[in-house]
Amino acid sequence: GAVVSQHPSRVICKSGTSVKIECRSLDFQATTMFWYRQFPKKSLMLMATSNEGSKATYEQGVEKDKFLINHASLTLSTLTVTSAHPEDSSFYICSARLAGVNNEQFFGPGTRLTVL
Amino acid sequence: DQQVKQNSPSLSVQEGRISILNCDYTNSMFDYFLWYKKYPAEGPTFLISISSIKDKNEDGRFTVFLNKSAKHLSLHIVPSQPGDSAVYFCAAREGGGGNKLTFGTGTQLKVEL
Repeated sequence: GAVVSQHPSRVICKSGTSVKIECRSLDFQATTMFWYRQFPKKSLMLMATSNEGSKATYEQGVEKDKFLINHASLTLSTLTVTSAHPEDSSFYICSARLAGVNNEQFFGPGTRLTVL
Repeated sequence: DQQVKQNSPSLSVQEGRISILNCDYTNSMFDYFLWYKKYPAEGPTFLISISSIKDKNEDGRFTVFLNKSAKHLSLHIVPSQPGDSAVYFCAAREGGGGNKLTFGTGTQLKVEL
């Protein structure tokens, strides 16, 4: 149980285009999902917390107009990288929180974004 | 400001021996700690966790030790197996029911035959 999927797993796009990444909790409902970004050989950095039915909460330094987050249902959150630039190239990982004693987070497999 | 630190970027251990991965933190508000294992191009998978009210938690070959006074935790894997080769991240969460995880920079473990 507690499986989280991401789509696509890999995407290459041209500079200036927008890219949408989906995060789905397959076998549980997640009122809260998280979006992380990982640079090569670096830690996972939390970008934003996505709450179903409300606006996402962005971490300091993350541009909310560039990284649009929508959490329209209890099993789906989307991250749209708008007007992508090469510096946005990274590994994006989502997680979904399973409500319970320890509020465990389960991670998706990640999406490798390359902006040319 | 790196609140969770893993000072060893890599560790090499022989199969069958003990692997010890270390993690230090600076934020005294952290009260729950987790270890994740990550393979390249995959998301992290949860391994083991520990609450700040405990100093040890064991699950099979994995044991996590917490020293609150030193703000230090460690993950012991014994015996180490080649399949354990991966990047290990420690993560911490503040008390008060918050969800935000703060991750360390990871340690690449290589278990050699």
